[in-house]
Amino acid sequence: AQRVTQPEKLLSVFKGAPVELKCNYSYSGSPELFWYVQYSRQRLQLLLRHISRESIKGFTADLNKGETSFHLKKPFAQEEDSAMYYCALSNQGGKLIFGQGTELSVKP
Amino acid sequence: DAGVIQSPRHEVTEMGQEVTLRCKPISGHDYLFWYRQTMMRGLELLIYFNNNVPIDDSGMPEDRFSAKMPNASFSTLKIQPSEPRDSAVYFCASRPTGRHQPQHFGDGTRLSIL
Repeated sequence: AQRVTQPEKLLSVFKGAPVELKCNYSYSGSPELFWYVQYSRQRLQLLLRHISRESIKGFTADLNKGETSFHLKKPFAQEEDSAMYYCALSNQGGKLIFGQGTELSVKP
Repeated sequence: DAGVIQSPRHEVTEMGQEVTLRCKPISGHDYLFWYRQTMMRGLELLIYFNNNVPIDDSGMPEDRFSAKMPNASFSTLKIQPSEPRDSAVYFCASRPTGRHQPQHFGDGTRLSIL
């Protein structure tokens, strides 16, 4: 079965603290994984894709095939990082399978 | 590149009325997706097209919902008749063919059925 699991619905941290948003996937083939961010009442925006191995807005994510995980990390959270984060898996048909999302709240 | 364009941005109508949501994908993108987002159910894929052909409509809730893509630059999602439980934000997204290509989302249509 193709599935994406984000175990935390809400993650609350203080400004400057490290952040890790968890994502686990289930997929039999070679996965294509993405992180999307949705700021309040706005469109979903691509944050990261595993193939790029880049850092965007201080966020990084590493694909761990052994643990079937693609956790999103940032060493020092900022208040403007408060948003909804979705992990997504693309299957061979081009369809995105989304996790349920994690709401990140960064307190001052 | 103007991105994925959706219209209207907001729609408020009474139950029983027909609602038509519109989407213009990014030029050159072969795939188009319609999603619905609610607090209760999160993001749901309703239907997607490849080269204007519907590929998977298993997410369409019921016969009241229909979607068309008459050409590569335009798609509609229609609800007839509308019901209050259809109130949600509807997103359109597009992507090009190829591995590791992300989907690009529009700003969404916020639909309220009274």
